Amino acid sequence: DADVTQTPRNRITKTGKRIMLECSQTKGHDRMYWYRQDPGLGLRLIYYSFDVKDINKGEISDGYSVSRQAQAKFSLSLESAIPNQTALYFCATSPGLAGDQETQYFGPGTRLLVL
Amino acid sequence: AQSVTQPDIHITVSEGASLELRCNYSYGATPYLFWYVQSPGQGLQLLLKYFSGDTLVQGIKGFEAEFKRSQSSFNLRKPSVHWSDAAEYFCAVAYSWGKLQFGAGTQVVVTP
Repeated sequence: DADVTQTPRNRITKTGKRIMLECSQTKGHDRMYWYRQDPGLGLRLIYYSFDVKDINKGEISDGYSVSRQAQAKFSLSLESAIPNQTALYFCATSPGLAGDQETQYFGPGTRLLVL
Repeated sequence: AQSVTQPDIHITVSEGASLELRCNYSYGATPYLFWYVQSPGQGLQLLLKYFSGDTLVQGIKGFEAEFKRSQSSFNLRKPSVHWSDAAEYFCAVAYSWGKLQFGAGTQVVVTP
């Protein structure tokens, strides 16, 4: 089984709808991240969490919110989706202080289309 | 501000030929450096990383990268490309505690 899983893998929604993307990990890592990937822009950080009680905005957090329900779960919500949020979204984890804290491990991605 | 530049958006290489992907960074200190690969429909897989020590780093799938401090570069190489190496490659720099900044990526096409 994959260490970092994301659901759904693909999603089509309409402008104005609220949607949630979920991420679960079995790696036992403290840190979790949400990125979006757009062609020609690489990956950009949306939100990150260093532990269950710690949530931080990344470089492009506007229009997004997150919830860290447990060490293993980190959800990304689009409160009112808009077409320019169409992108590939990745969840990632890293060990934090206990190990190789700078290396991140990625899930398979969620492809989101906002009509 | 820190930045990561991958000058080549797209590279086409023949199977069996060598491959070199360029990465330059702008950062005040010696950073932690990474190369990831994204195969079609897949997530990002770590190829290799450099934290300190030997500036020539070996990774998975026959890849290696060399850190050159004087050139602020961390170029990825493979001596002989296989068709399965067709993918998008991302260079990344840990610019702050626990955060990565990614380059825009280089798409590699492998021709027979």
